[in-house]
Amino acid sequence: DSGVTQTPKHLITATGQRVTLRCSPRSGDLSVYWYQQSLDQGLQFLIQYYNGEERAKGNILERFSAQQFPDLHSELNLSSLELGDSALYFCASSPDLRANTGELFFGEGSRLTVL
Amino acid sequence: AQSVAQPEDQVNVAEGNPLTVKCTYSVSGNPYLFWYVQYPNRGLQFLLKYITGDNLVKGSYGFEAEFNKSQTSFHLKKPSALVSDSALYFCAVGVNTGKLIFGQGTTLQVKP
Repeated sequence: DSGVTQTPKHLITATGQRVTLRCSPRSGDLSVYWYQQSLDQGLQFLIQYYNGEERAKGNILERFSAQQFPDLHSELNLSSLELGDSALYFCASSPDLRANTGELFFGEGSRLTVL
Repeated sequence: AQSVAQPEDQVNVAEGNPLTVKCTYSVSGNPYLFWYVQYPNRGLQFLLKYITGDNLVKGSYGFEAEFNKSQTSFHLKKPSALVSDSALYFCAVGVNTGKLIFGQGTTLQVKP
């Protein structure tokens, strides 16, 4: 158990809809990262928050947004969903600002299916 | 651009044999290199990292990785494979913006 909690584990929705994925980081971790894993794109970095502020952005679509709240949990909002958004969305946390020197702790992911 | 490549989609080995999962990288400056493992329906788990120091890095579950600067490689190795090692393995490089870039992953299949 990594200590990172993601909900929901599975989500099925229709095209055009909006969903919110939630992540609770490990106790004490200030950084939260969101990744998208799909068969054709592999594991893609979406966005990072550190102590409530956005710190790095990757291949995140404009239809997607995220935030980190004062209690450090984070939400990833996906809107105007398309079939291609079907993927496994991972949240990871770390105590530090920079992921490039330390270990990331991953949740078990939220599997989104768009029909 | 900074990147990491895993040239093999799948590696098959027999239980008890040594295994190698290959990774090459391209970064500017000193590389920060990682290996993660993903079991079915689970999140990624950290195996080991290279930041500086000895080129041979030891990690969890008996895995080790060898950093080779001249070949820009960071291959994952284990002297004796177990069936339970069967999983998806990701190599990652830390870039100077602080994020990790992951390779496409290599499926390791260990057969009894």
